[in-house]
Amino acid sequence: QSVLTQPPSVSAAPGQKVIISCSGSTTNIGTNYVCWYQHLPGTAPKLIIYDNDKRPSRIPDRFSGSKSGASATLGITGLQTGDEADYYCAAWDSALSAVVFGGGTKVTAL
Amino acid sequence: EVQLGESGGGLVQPGGSLRLSCAASGFTFSDYWMHWVRQIPGKGLEWVSRIKRDGSDISYVDSVKGRFTISRDNAKNTVYLQMNSLRAEDTAVYYCAKDGVGVSHDFDYWGPGTMVTVSS
Repeated sequence: QSVLTQPPSVSAAPGQKVIISCSGSTTNIGTNYVCWYQHLPGTAPKLIIYDNDKRPSRIPDRFSGSKSGASATLGITGLQTGDEADYYCAAWDSALSAVVFGGGTKVTAL
Repeated sequence: EVQLGESGGGLVQPGGSLRLSCAASGFTFSDYWMHWVRQIPGKGLEWVSRIKRDGSDISYVDSVKGRFTISRDNAKNTVYLQMNSLRAEDTAVYYCAKDGVGVSHDFDYWGPGTMVTVSS
């Protein structure tokens, strides 16, 4: 059971938008910054959002992040087949003194 | 170009030990926290441990406390994970990751990972 809660899967047609939710608590998302990773099996995870809503320079603006209270969301617009991957949210948990991850969400382009 | 490369994984019996290494290049190693993250087969990502730039601050996930030890050698641009009393549930791909530029811990570069299998 992960400390952060994500839906197991989301899907949409190519070109459409998907939103992935990440629910936490006051000790993690509620008081600390959220980041998001894209992970393709057999490869190294890739940072796509940090500090709740910032994108590394190499990440296209189709990816966006937001946070409200103890929850965060990742949005992917113009979904492409190349976006099919597992997506994880993560945050520092001040009570656990640990980085905590969500369980991951599998994104599928139908 | 930032590069991270793990080594030292393999097959070990329950109760055994392994030492993972992660060699870094392309950035000023001593300026960044470093982390170990693992993925158990078929499961999600799990943060394992972190070490501060000068080694003065270290943290672990509860499940490895007392068994794993993280360390670093800034002269060799290398971070280590000494894993003792290994259990079947430690079987995973282990990644080293570099702290990013964000306010909190975010990992902007990762190694390709090394597989650790704990089995008799």
